[in-house]
Amino acid sequence: KAGVTQTPRYLIKTRGQQVTLSCSPISGHRSVSWYQQTPGQGLQFLFEYFSETQRNKGNFPGRFSGRQFSNSRSEMNVSTLELGDSALYLCASRRLLSVNEQFFGPGTRLTVL
Amino acid sequence: GENVEQHPSTLSVQEGDSAVIKCTYSDSASNYFPWYKQELGKGPQLIIDIRSNVGEKKDQRIAVTLNKTAKHFSLHITETQPEDSAVYFCAATNDNYGQNFVFGPGTRLSVLP
Repeated sequence: KAGVTQTPRYLIKTRGQQVTLSCSPISGHRSVSWYQQTPGQGLQFLFEYFSETQRNKGNFPGRFSGRQFSNSRSEMNVSTLELGDSALYLCASRRLLSVNEQFFGPGTRLTVL
Repeated sequence: GENVEQHPSTLSVQEGDSAVIKCTYSDSASNYFPWYKQELGKGPQLIIDIRSNVGEKKDQRIAVTLNKTAKHFSLHITETQPEDSAVYFCAATNDNYGQNFVFGPGTRLSVLP
């Protein structure tokens, strides 16, 4: 079974631009969560989607948004990029909200110049 | 909300020795505690987990122990090998819908040959 895939793997943007990252969960998994990983803050929860609905949201500004499609694939968008948004963005999937085992993708490395 | 602390932040051991990483959590409602291993350039990989109704779980060279009263859990790696070198993260969550995972800051383990 294929794992969680994320595209693109690397992105370079400049301040003020916006970016869209994509995540395809493991087949049969309906929940997708997004995390931001930085050396200073560690792994921080952004949001979780299940059945195309946002179920939970972390403490991030409204510039960070996401959505989930009917095939469970998810995208996250960051508008008006800031230097501090440079990070590894990780997507994780789990089969159901009631199933705790969560599996991560390889991440998208975003660099904001 | 939940807060997870993790110690030590770095750990160096000789190949063949044991390594122990400890985490504490604050929310007594947390009942699921996974451990992830993250190698350079990859996303975190689930290596073992434990639920609050179990005190210890073992999988080959890896074991996790949980003390609910003290609200701490530990990862034990025996007979360490160079390929065990990575960053290890603990996390905590509970089964209630809408509860996200809270991660510890990570421990960089180096296994010296």
